[in-house]
Amino acid sequence: EIVLTQSPGTLSLSPGERATLSCRASQRISNSHLAWYQQKPGQAPRLLIYYASSRATGIPDRFSGSGSGTDFTLTISRLDPEDFAVYYCQQYGSSPPYTFGQGTKLEIK
Amino acid sequence: EVQLVESGGGLVQPGGSLRLSCAASGFTFGSYGMNWVRQAPGKGLDWVSYISTSGTIYYADSVKGRFTISRDIAQSSLYLQMNSLRDEDTAVYFCARARTDPDGGVYLHSWGQGTLVTVSS
Repeated sequence: EIVLTQSPGTLSLSPGERATLSCRASQRISNSHLAWYQQKPGQAPRLLIYYASSRATGIPDRFSGSGSGTDFTLTISRLDPEDFAVYYCQQYGSSPPYTFGQGTKLEIK
Repeated sequence: EVQLVESGGGLVQPGGSLRLSCAASGFTFGSYGMNWVRQAPGKGLDWVSYISTSGTIYYADSVKGRFTISRDIAQSSLYLQMNSLRDEDTAVYFCARARTDPDGGVYLHSWGQGTLVTVSS
């Protein structure tokens, strides 16, 4: 089973700043099968990025994903107040099991 | 608009059973794989089970032999039968519609709001 480790655990930034979130896999993730989700308190997760760098429909272009192999990054170019939330990476393939990282909490500084 | 509405959660004693439902609308239900994902209070996301469009089923090791995923395409509904429940099964359970990326990978595209299952004596 692939283990995903996200860093940092908590990221404190101000609106307008750039956020860089990391997701490292215990073994190579094939075919860029890596997704990123945003979750706000009391809400369901929302898909942001799939296929490592493809933005989901309706996601602002300030969100971008990059990486391959074992190292992946979610970048938010300029933080909006609504972006403060918990972010999860997830590896997937053509079949389960699927695993999630433990999450990065993005909080207002 | 895709809508997924879970129901059936509640309080159950350890060793008990519960059946969760997920009512889907806004898309052709039988054309998409479906998942259950759970989240224990204050914790991260934990994939539970997946049923593909062809009916192939997968489970996380933690629930294998205790949980059963099923679907009724005519009713556009997904189910999770949970037996032999344990304290550690306490979580919000989300259903999530799958989509396929250009290389055949199946990711979680749309999510319901979840239903809370509490296992406690």
